[in-house]
Amino acid sequence: SQTIHQWPATLVQPVGSPLSLECTVEGTSNPNLYWYRQAAGRGLQLLFYSVGIGQISSEVPQNLSASRPQDRQFILSSKKLLLSDSGFYLCAWKRTGNNSPLHFGNGTRLTVT
Amino acid sequence: AQKVTQAQTEISVVEKEDVTLDCVYETRDTTYYLFWYKQPPSGELVFLIRRNSFDEQNEISGRYSWNFQKSTSSFNFTITASQVVDSAVYFCALSEPAYGQNFVFGPGTRLSVLP
Repeated sequence: SQTIHQWPATLVQPVGSPLSLECTVEGTSNPNLYWYRQAAGRGLQLLFYSVGIGQISSEVPQNLSASRPQDRQFILSSKKLLLSDSGFYLCAWKRTGNNSPLHFGNGTRLTVT
Repeated sequence: AQKVTQAQTEISVVEKEDVTLDCVYETRDTTYYLFWYKQPPSGELVFLIRRNSFDEQNEISGRYSWNFQKSTSSFNFTITASQVVDSAVYFCALSEPAYGQNFVFGPGTRLSVLP
């Protein structure tokens, strides 16, 4: 069966510090990978998605970046965090194929102080 | 643009009551997919159901049922005999493959089931 791992579960970082969140998927090959952000009490905002190694699509301009160094690894990064980067970050995967649902990790709660 | 509306921000019901969560969507294509997800207090999003645009048959799974009506662009979710464990935020989502790999989520409905 397929599983998705996302870490860390919680993170408190000062403004201006770097960020690296990691997500890995097991049990499948060539998944589509996604990073979503959920601000407190809000809906989900797509940040990045990837359909293959090295292929990253950005949905919103921001100081975040994403990378996919391996087929089942997706990394969200920032060189300098802003207060507005606080939120709940969710990694997700789906099989290629139009009707496949997204499957989410447990999320990372980031607080920028 | 793709859009998903969940007009009910918060709903409170007493245990054993039935509750319907509304979802209205806007699409640009004839082929699209609709989804419902549950986000319990622990935070992870749990996939509940998928519906294809060409299949309007309603679906029942235990206490859950879904009513898909293309004529009104709605995909509503009903919980029968609600339980405290149903308390969560529920999201409706839309995917239009012809326009990329994005899933557009509604703002969510927070359901509180009181004992």
